[in-house]
Amino acid sequence: EVQLVESGGGLVQPEGSLRLSCAASGFMSNNYWMNWVRQAPGKGLEWVANINQDGSEKYYVDSVKGRFTISRDNAKNSLYLQMNSLRAEDAAVYYCVAEDGRDFDYWGQGTLVTVSS
Amino acid sequence: QSVLTQPPSASGTPGQRVTVSCSGSNSNIGSYYVNWYQQLPGTAPKLLIYLNNQRPSGVPDRFSGSKSGTSASLAISGLRSEDEADYYCATWDNSLSGRVFGGGTKLTVL
Repeated sequence: EVQLVESGGGLVQPEGSLRLSCAASGFMSNNYWMNWVRQAPGKGLEWVANINQDGSEKYYVDSVKGRFTISRDNAKNSLYLQMNSLRAEDAAVYYCVAEDGRDFDYWGQGTLVTVSS
Repeated sequence: QSVLTQPPSASGTPGQRVTVSCSGSNSNIGSYYVNWYQQLPGTAPKLLIYLNNQRPSGVPDRFSGSKSGTSASLAISGLRSEDEADYYCATWDNSLSGRVFGGGTKLTVL
């Protein structure tokens, strides 16, 4: 069974840092693009970043460029999101998503990031 | 403001057919395949349609997708109470070099 389990969310002060992790199981994540997608409370989905199979290509939404870094460790079947200089508008549930551009498209249950002093 | 435009709400009665539209531009829908996602209350989104009109295994054929030019649509026939959810379209945008989602449509089954 394909599973994606996010961790690392929590309460952080503005300008603080947080590192999210996503542990994949039930499939070889190194065969797929991996994404982070977030959803602010009561709002819609917003794509944050993605990374290709070997980590050589990374893309980010403009609002997080220079502050967030996506990475992966295929040996550990894991995905990460290093978030620095956090702002109130970064508060959201962050989902880890594995996909192949076709019917392989799986989401974790999400981890909540709260940014508040 | 989302790059892809969806109506914020839609509704129908059981058994009816409803459609949800998703409007974009040449840099996104006009150039790339569209996915549709269903998000039931309190859960993570689930892939409903991929490659504009393909259904993953397990998705009922009551759900169908289409694309024409810079717009896409999701149709749900034989509406059921369990279809009450938020629906999102998504695709790639080459001007933004990123993935984009519609703002979401909340479907209410009356």
